[in-house]
Amino acid sequence: AQKVTQAQTEISVVEKEDVTLDCVYETRDTTYYLFWYKQPPSGELVFLIRRNSFDEQNEISGRYSWNFQKSTSSFNFTITASQVVDSAVYFCAPPNLFFGTGTRLTVIP
Amino acid sequence: DAGITQSPRHKVTETGTPVTLRCHQTENHRYMYWYRQDPGHGLRLIHYSYGVKDTDKGEVSDGYSVSRSKTEDFLLTLESATSSQTSVYFCAISDSGLGGLAKNIQYFGAGTRLSVL
Repeated sequence: AQKVTQAQTEISVVEKEDVTLDCVYETRDTTYYLFWYKQPPSGELVFLIRRNSFDEQNEISGRYSWNFQKSTSSFNFTITASQVVDSAVYFCAPPNLFFGTGTRLTVIP
Repeated sequence: DAGITQSPRHKVTETGTPVTLRCHQTENHRYMYWYRQDPGHGLRLIHYSYGVKDTDKGEVSDGYSVSRSKTEDFLLTLESATSSQTSVYFCAISDSGLGGLAKNIQYFGAGTRLSVL
């Protein structure tokens, strides 16, 4: 069975600190995409980043970076120099199937 | 922003009454989804549609039915609402379907907050 685990329920950091959110996706599939979505306090869900399982090279997009470790099926999403506007719940999700339970990030000014 | 409209945005109803939530899209996307969001559970898929009159069940489909008579509209019906169906409901759309190498992004509506008293 497929399973998405976001073990970090809540994280608090001080503004400008880097923060890493973890997601483990257990599946028998060997190739797939994984998505991260952000839900700010206003409630809307917004796509952030997409990552595939067949490339372990780090990806960077602005303040976001993305790392996949095949040996542990772990997708780590890092926000560099966090800002108060990054405060939100972050969801990890395989394509269109089901979501992790989310990690609530609070960035303290 | 993707053209997705959910209506109503808020609804309070009584146990045992029927409720219909509407999702309307202007993007002509083939796939549409209904999720519910509850504390501690993230988003859970209720039903989805892969075309007009083509629908299938998700993880938590009991007590819900859906219909899609037009590409742009996807309706979620609670035939007899119960307090356990108090939740925030999100509609989503995408160009591609489920699992594996499906790589299209899901776009979400603003959500409907439903309270069943």
